[in-house]
Amino acid sequence: DAGITQSPRHKVTETGTPVTLRCHQTENHRYMYWYRQDPGHGLRLIHYSYGVKDTDKGEVSDGYSVSRSKTEDFLLTLESATSSQTSVYFCAISGRGGWGETQYFGPGTRLLVL
Amino acid sequence: GENVEQHPSTLSVQEGDSAVIKCTYSDSASNYFPWYKQELGKRPQLIIDIRSNVGEKKDQRIAVTLNKTAKHFSLHITETQPEDSAVYFCAASIRTSGGSNYKLTFGKGTLLTVNP
Repeated sequence: DAGITQSPRHKVTETGTPVTLRCHQTENHRYMYWYRQDPGHGLRLIHYSYGVKDTDKGEVSDGYSVSRSKTEDFLLTLESATSSQTSVYFCAISGRGGWGETQYFGPGTRLLVL
Repeated sequence: GENVEQHPSTLSVQEGDSAVIKCTYSDSASNYFPWYKQELGKRPQLIIDIRSNVGEKKDQRIAVTLNKTAKHFSLHITETQPEDSAVYFCAASIRTSGGSNYKLTFGKGTLLTVNP
């Protein structure tokens, strides 16, 4: 499964609290992505990174921030969690050979915001 | 931005029958089209992909066709088996400006059920 781990795998939190999700890869892929998956919406891109300290917004970035201080780690932060951010979050990686086409997904994190 | 429509949202077939899932995309600059299979509670996994310079690609019981003019692509599964039951997602990818990175836009998924 392309050497991707996500932590935590499950989290329950309260509205207004900060939450950080971690994606860790051991495959030296250049590109990393955060998606959220909700029923009826498929997978939607939140943010992505094209290198250390290089990130950009996806289609649903409001309320989320990211950081990538080293190649292997990509962090997603919900500064003040809301119930609408209850979702399953997937990290993905691509680009070990330089081309970023094929994306491989991590196991996901289930987040429940009460 | 890119918009990907996927149909049908649910598909039920008998074991041994064929299944076809269709997707359309809006941005003619899209040039890479992967298909992912997601079993319940699992991560999406790539099953086949096609690039815009190819019209068809096969891998055993799975095939994908691409019509660039009409901006649609399809997944074909022949001789379906119960283990093919899953949610299937299509996606269209645009290369980001200045880089070798690709941003994927996904369809909303098709729940395929193969009845024994």
